[in-house]
Amino acid sequence: GENVEQHPSTLSVQEGDSAVIKCTYSDSASNYFPWYKQELGKGPQLIIDIRSNVGEKKDQRIAVTLNKTAKHFSLHITETQPEDSAVYFCAAAQGTGGFKTIFGAGTRLFVKA
Amino acid sequence: EAGVTQFPSHSVIEKGQTVTLRCDPISGHDNLYWYRRVMGKEIKFLLHFVKESKQDESGMPNNRFLAERTGGTYSTLKVQPAELEDSGVYFCASSKQGYEQYFGPGTRLTVT
Repeated sequence: GENVEQHPSTLSVQEGDSAVIKCTYSDSASNYFPWYKQELGKGPQLIIDIRSNVGEKKDQRIAVTLNKTAKHFSLHITETQPEDSAVYFCAAAQGTGGFKTIFGAGTRLFVKA
Repeated sequence: EAGVTQFPSHSVIEKGQTVTLRCDPISGHDNLYWYRRVMGKEIKFLLHFVKESKQDESGMPNNRFLAERTGGTYSTLKVQPAELEDSGVYFCASSKQGYEQYFGPGTRLTVT
């Protein structure tokens, strides 16, 4: 079955710097790659996603890249702010026959003011 | 539009007891998912409903777990009898077309 590896497990950056989180997946049939942000006491919130027919997607300070050949995808956050501090999860899913989503182990991001 | 709601937010039970978790999806969302996060590890898929039918229950750990979605609205996840390793945070998510899943706040289950 699908396996998603996520690195690093913890990331600490200075406010204003960029943060990059990387994930790899194993099943070439996966075609949907969402990223979730989880704040303390809340459920994961979808912040951006990318489908396998797209290589890059950007939404304000957040961007995702996907390399299907290498089976890896990354989340880039620019100009980080203290409110970006949270746990970020990458995930992979197949759109055919359902959307069973396989998650990475999460990255705890600390943005120091 | 109201989000996904889960009840209770926290449950503490003793080993061997029964607990029932409830999830109310966003109105109009036919797809409902249950996930679990144990001890700070990855969020693991448990099962997927399409309306009242189980589309995929490959992630259910064992037959102590029973999920239902009567009438295709809210869903319940029952654990009977609970074991220590069942402790964790149980998340429910719903989606309309399938791709974008909206998560509830989770139920933290502690089995002592």
